[in-house]
Amino acid sequence: DQQVKQNSPSLSVQEGRISILNCDYTNSMFDYFLWYKKYPAEGPTFLISISSIKDKNEDGRFTVFLNKSAKHLSLHIVPSQPGDSAVYFCAASGRIGRDDKIIFGKGTRLHILP
Amino acid sequence: NAGVMQNPRHLVRRRGQEARLRCSPMKGHSHVYWYRQLPEEGLKFMVYLQKENIIDESGMPKERFSAEFPKEGPSILRIQQVVRGDSAAYFCASSRLRQGGETQYFGPGTRLLVL
Repeated sequence: DQQVKQNSPSLSVQEGRISILNCDYTNSMFDYFLWYKKYPAEGPTFLISISSIKDKNEDGRFTVFLNKSAKHLSLHIVPSQPGDSAVYFCAASGRIGRDDKIIFGKGTRLHILP
Repeated sequence: NAGVMQNPRHLVRRRGQEARLRCSPMKGHSHVYWYRQLPEEGLKFMVYLQKENIIDESGMPKERFSAEFPKEGPSILRIQQVVRGDSAAYFCASSRLRQGGETQYFGPGTRLLVL
């Protein structure tokens, strides 16, 4: 039962263009969403987050959009740079049952092409 | 400004041995989480601990795995009698407050290889 889905295992984007990574969730109790970036042999690094009271959050080249009615969020990176090549994990957090939970997607591997 | 520390970074064990993975949270963080990442898989939650308390162990295998976060010292994830299927990257994360609505910061991971 995958509550957080990243349906694209990989994505290739030309350097300088926009990268759009997508994430869908199933549980309406999630109220905080995060994106993490992971390089090989390193731990995930926090990138950007958004609360369910917002529909957009921007930090430099990174923007996260949240569509609560569609239970969908996306991460936009513009312009894409070679150093953006990594695996991106979407995560959703909220009270599930008795406890607060954070659930991660399986990740999308982003390749930035020169 | 130390982040989350994990050691060892790499651990090789033979089947049947014990593996001990250590995690020191960021300064000021009292909530620790352990995750496992199998090859080509996402991060799977294992256990959430506060000092001296296990808050949520719903992701922990019922046998051979245990975790603790003592009053003093790092959090320990212990795997007894390791099997080949335990080979994975184990990540620890910490947060300042409990996990709802709070960002978790990850350590570099321990890569466990069981021969």
